Amino acid sequence: AQSVAQPEDQVNVAEGNPLTVKCTYSVSGNPYLFWYVQYPNRGLQFLLKYITGDNLVKGSYGFEAEFNKSQTSFHLKKPSALVSDSALYFCAVRGSNDYKLSFGAGTTVTVRA
Amino acid sequence: GAVVSQHPSRVICKSGTSVKIECRSLDFQATTMFWYRQFPKQSLMLMATSNEGSKATYEQGVEKDKFLINHASLTLSTLTVTSAHPEDSSFYICSARDAGGYNEQFFGPGTRLTVL
Repeated sequence: AQSVAQPEDQVNVAEGNPLTVKCTYSVSGNPYLFWYVQYPNRGLQFLLKYITGDNLVKGSYGFEAEFNKSQTSFHLKKPSALVSDSALYFCAVRGSNDYKLSFGAGTTVTVRA
Repeated sequence: GAVVSQHPSRVICKSGTSVKIECRSLDFQATTMFWYRQFPKQSLMLMATSNEGSKATYEQGVEKDKFLINHASLTLSTLTVTSAHPEDSSFYICSARDAGGYNEQFFGPGTRLTVL
């Protein structure tokens, strides 16, 4: 069985400060890892993914994530947060031989001006 | 990038009626589509996997006679909520799997269903 844990329900940061959203996963075999962002009453927008290659993945809107196999983590980061980054963020995982995605519970990010 | 559309984006219906939601992959063929349900401020719950030309596979606890899924073509899957009740009110999101590349899923914008 595969699963994702996002240990923080909420993350609050000041604009201009670094933003980190944590994610750990469990999956059989090689993981395919994803981050999505969701704004109110909207679908999921893809931010970035890790399939293979460099552990540091760069994505949309200045976000990046680092794959850490030993810690089974895939934390999302942004060096300087913007108020417009305030949204709900989901981490997701699937195995290389499975089509189904498993989502974390989501983390609400609030960036204050 | 790959685009998935959903129609309608918002629907309000009376209790006891049926509602159909369409999910289309606009610029790629999707042999597999997924239907999710999301309650306010909660994660996505996979309801069923829709395969083109065959019966959908439902997750445990999801009533297949309540949520009818049809995947008649490589670009269209439909979810029909039959005899809707207020507890069916939710945000329904579909995704489509692009069989090329790494089999990524691309998500639709979601449909807000409100049953009165």
